[in-house]
Amino acid sequence: QVQLQESGPGLVKPSETLSLTCTVSGGSVNSGSYFWNWIRQPPGKELEWIGYIYYTGSTNYNPSLKSRVTMSVDTSSNQFSLKLNSVTAADTAFYYCARDSAGWYSFDSWGQGTLVTVSS
Amino acid sequence: QSALTQPASVSGSPGQSITISCTGTSSDIGVYHYVSWYQHHPGKAPKLMIYDVSNRPSGVSNRFSGSKSGNTASLTISGLQTEDESVYYCSSYTSRSTPVVFGGGTKLTVL
Repeated sequence: QVQLQESGPGLVKPSETLSLTCTVSGGSVNSGSYFWNWIRQPPGKELEWIGYIYYTGSTNYNPSLKSRVTMSVDTSSNQFSLKLNSVTAADTAFYYCARDSAGWYSFDSWGQGTLVTVSS
Repeated sequence: QSALTQPASVSGSPGQSITISCTGTSSDIGVYHYVSWYQHHPGKAPKLMIYDVSNRPSGVSNRFSGSKSGNTASLTISGLQTEDESVYYCSSYTSRSTPVVFGGGTKLTVL
């Protein structure tokens, strides 16, 4: 059974870069069967899809965040990562990594999430 | 305001059935068969309960069922159990600029 676990700093200063990693166990990121996603939820607000990366490195980002987002995949470590630059308080949220195995944005495995707070 | 509209809360007694609605538009639920439902206990990983409107992943109880009519999808939980108490989110593929949208979540209380 695949498991996903987010890791990274819980506090980021405004204007700096948020960096998170998702470690996959029980499965491989180096598989053509899956899309590896990041999703966030600001406290008290709705879930927002950030984007996905495929094992080839191909990406698809939410247009509203595209100018600030970079995703990468490290098949040797079985991890994928998110970088979000120029953060503001509006980027404070629970960040989740999730797997889409069908390609239609249905997420069959999720991490438990990590809270990232943007504050000086 | 969420892209998909869900009631903020629903409640039921053990053994009863409840239905959670998820209302979208002709850009998402109304035209695509890619509606999913998730169960989320705070602090834990969200769990996929229904995909493609009415399909259950392996291991999900058959007490959970999904359907769709027009722009509204529904999640029905029959034979309510205390462990069903959670927050439920719907999502749908969409033709908008972002390919997937979510509902605001419904807190289910099992009285």
